[in-house]
Amino acid sequence: SQKIEQNSEALNIQEGKTATLTCNYTNYSPAYLQWYRQDPGRGPVFLLLIRENEKEKRKERLKVTFDTTLKQSLFHITASQPADSATYLCALGRDTNAGKSTFGDGTTLTVKP
Amino acid sequence: DVKVTQSSRYLVKRTGEKVFLECVQDMDHENMFWYRQDPGLGLRLIYFSYDVKMKEKGDIPEGYSVSREKKERFSLILESASTNQTSMYLCASSWASGAYNEQFFGPGTRLTVL
Repeated sequence: SQKIEQNSEALNIQEGKTATLTCNYTNYSPAYLQWYRQDPGRGPVFLLLIRENEKEKRKERLKVTFDTTLKQSLFHITASQPADSATYLCALGRDTNAGKSTFGDGTTLTVKP
Repeated sequence: DVKVTQSSRYLVKRTGEKVFLECVQDMDHENMFWYRQDPGLGLRLIYFSYDVKMKEKGDIPEGYSVSREKKERFSLILESASTNQTSMYLCASSWASGAYNEQFFGPGTRLTVL
């Protein structure tokens, strides 16, 4: 069955450093991979999408890579700030799947001042 | 701004009660979803609807049913609540063919079944 694994439940880093979050998957051939941010007590909010034929995507301080051979995506937040502290979820989907995505269980990032 | 609202933020019910969770979106989205979120298990899809009166089972539909009589409203029904249905329930909506296939989530309903 499909399996999505996100790196260690919690990641703690110092302000100003680059946070790197990992999403690995098995038994799946996604057409795209999404990253969402979730704050405590709130629903997830979409951040970025990267397609299977794209190696890298950037948006402001965010960078996502997608390696379909390794079956892995890396999510980087550069110059991290305490406000970046949240849980980050990756989600995989196929265009033929009517908009459904399969979500990982998230990595909680804490950025310390 | 897309808005997805859920009828309650917190709900406490007793075992055996019938429970209704309502979700409303204001962006004319075709797709609507119900998930539950539990620690260590992530977001799991319960049911999905791609049009009015159309529904599809997700990964964990047992013990749940849904209703979509109007495009903007998607209801989740727990026919006979049980303690293992204590969870955070999240509703989401999306366009049928958006550029990013992004889902817009509501704030969630934390349901406790005693």
